[in-house]
Amino acid sequence: SQQGEEDPQALSIQEGENATMNCSYKTSINNLQWYRQNSGRGLVHLILIRSNEREKHSGRLRVTLDTSKKSSSLLITASRAADTASYFCATSQTSGSRLTFGEGTQLTVNP
Amino acid sequence: NAGVTQTPKFQVLKTGQSMTLQCAQDMNHNSMYWYRQDPGMGLRLIYYSASEGTTDKGEVPNGYNVSRLNKREFSLRLESAAPSQTSVYFCASSSSGGRTDTQYFGPGTRLTVL
Repeated sequence: SQQGEEDPQALSIQEGENATMNCSYKTSINNLQWYRQNSGRGLVHLILIRSNEREKHSGRLRVTLDTSKKSSSLLITASRAADTASYFCATSQTSGSRLTFGEGTQLTVNP
Repeated sequence: NAGVTQTPKFQVLKTGQSMTLQCAQDMNHNSMYWYRQDPGMGLRLIYYSASEGTTDKGEVPNGYNVSRLNKREFSLRLESAAPSQTSVYFCASSSSGGRTDTQYFGPGTRLTVL
């Protein structure tokens, strides 16, 4: 069964708007990662946040982690058409262990 | 640096046929993984290899076998393909054991079983 569940399943916005995707998980984690998948391609790592971190930034990406609620959010600011992709959260329960992926959020950014 | 490469990119099989999906990485990673991705279901782990010489079952191993040929290569074999194995297969690698579990993915193999 999937550890992470993304919400919403699909999101459509206009270029320049912000996009927020959420991920909830069931068991305690060592870290949580976000990946992007462009249509027909493999997944690409975006950002990793550890269980003792609450917020992390990378360029236009902002990730938050609330371990008490077992949830994370990914914010993409000033979205671009090129951000159109599926976004997956993945959790690792111990350092060096395998990842468990959620089902993804399909983001469409309209020009 | 090619990263993670997979062959073939596309394959059509008939029920009962066998085939091997090849994966190689040039990042000197210890760990390698095989996933399948079905529409609306995210990625599910089939098998993984934490280090050269070891393999372990993942979430959906039935109908598959793997071989960690050496540190670079990790192959996935379907002995008798079934329509339920129609999917996109991704290989990934990571340097597990360090502070990060970041995985690097190949471009995928699109398999159709008729």
